[in-house]
Amino acid sequence: GQQLNQSPQSMFIQEGEDVSMNCTSSSIFNTWLWYKQDPGEGPVLLIALYKAGELTSNGRLTAQFGITRKDSFLNISASIPSDVGIYFCVRAGGTSYGKLTFGQGTILTVHP
Amino acid sequence: EAGVTQFPSHSVIEKGQTVTLRCDPISGHDNLYWYRRVMGKEIKFLLHFVKESKQDESGMPNNRFLAERTGGTYSTLKVQPAELEDSGVYFCASSQGRGRIDEQFFGPGTRLTVL
Repeated sequence: GQQLNQSPQSMFIQEGEDVSMNCTSSSIFNTWLWYKQDPGEGPVLLIALYKAGELTSNGRLTAQFGITRKDSFLNISASIPSDVGIYFCVRAGGTSYGKLTFGQGTILTVHP
Repeated sequence: EAGVTQFPSHSVIEKGQTVTLRCDPISGHDNLYWYRRVMGKEIKFLLHFVKESKQDESGMPNNRFLAERTGGTYSTLKVQPAELEDSGVYFCASSQGRGRIDEQFFGPGTRLTVL
């Protein structure tokens, strides 16, 4: 079935540093989503991407939909302690409307 | 507005027992989804309700899992009998079913431990 390869698996950074994570797929996507899961909570949508090449920002977060439609990256600038959590790249829809396919997640730890 | 709620937050049971998880979606959301994350794996889709009908149950692992959504409001997911490999976090999500993205809002999850 569909598989998303997300990297890195984990990151340990100092507060104030920038962070970059990416996701690749063997098949073409029409929609990329990035979700974040805070400890003890469910995932929350951060950014949605709909078109190849699209670059979208949400505060300190920036995400891009790759030109090939097989990859995406998420950047976080000037990290702060509350950025701690698990970040997931997610494929929306496809063969089944509404079904989300998650990447393995990137665990982010920010040291003050 | 209240978000998606799930009950219980944690459940510890023995192999062979039955457990029922409950999800209350955001009011007015026709779409309800179940996902789960087992240890070391990614979050995986289980099934999708539109109102009380099962739209897609392709992710249900086997017939020990039964999901219902009577009346199209809250949903239950029953595991009977539970096996060790069923341990993990079970998430419920809901969405309106409209709009470009039809954002899914997730509950906090139920952590199931089967001993």
